[in-house]
Amino acid sequence: GAGVSQSPRYKVAKRGQDVALRCDPISGHVSLFWYQQALGQGPEFLTYFQNEAQLDKSGLPSDRFFAERPEGSVSTLKIQRTQQEDSAVYLCASSWGGQETQYFGPGTRLLVL
Amino acid sequence: GENVEQHPSTLSVQEGDSAVIKCTYSDSASNYFPWYKQELGKRPQLIIDIRSNVGEKKDQRIAVTLNKTAKHFSLHITETQPEDSAVYFCAAPTGAGSYQLTFGKGTKLSVIP
Repeated sequence: GAGVSQSPRYKVAKRGQDVALRCDPISGHVSLFWYQQALGQGPEFLTYFQNEAQLDKSGLPSDRFFAERPEGSVSTLKIQRTQQEDSAVYLCASSWGGQETQYFGPGTRLLVL
Repeated sequence: GENVEQHPSTLSVQEGDSAVIKCTYSDSASNYFPWYKQELGKRPQLIIDIRSNVGEKKDQRIAVTLNKTAKHFSLHITETQPEDSAVYFCAAPTGAGSYQLTFGKGTKLSVIP
């Protein structure tokens, strides 16, 4: 079946612009995760959804970052007033739940100029 | 929170030789340890995982061992092939039953033909 998809794959933003990143998880997956991956580093946890409920947002670096999953499927990560330090790959992952295998999307590479 | 250390950061082996990557974790309650392979510009993909009720798991040329007492786990790749060249990440949850994964910084494996 189809895997996790993300769009756009690449995004260039001017500093101060708002961006929205989309994640389409595997159909039926209850859990959805967002990670930030800086160049040469491992993914770092940002936030977690179980269905439409955002159960953990402890990894969001600032209040400029906001995530939602209103119908328990597609999720959007929004970054307001982007800064250069926001430049990274943003990965989405989904799973059946709990500690089941997390399947990653291809990521969105964000470059803030 | 969980702290995951991964070594080495780079590893070069001759084709056909074995490769070993080691990770240590800090939270003794952690009970699930996945390994991901990430090729350049692509998504992380799960290659093997182990849960704390077993000490070793094998899948063809790949094996993972877990030492709960010492709080470390290792990835073993035998008969390496050029297509094994990639960055490998270990991960551990922030405690038993936790969905939140903490990743190591990665090991860049190069298999020399």
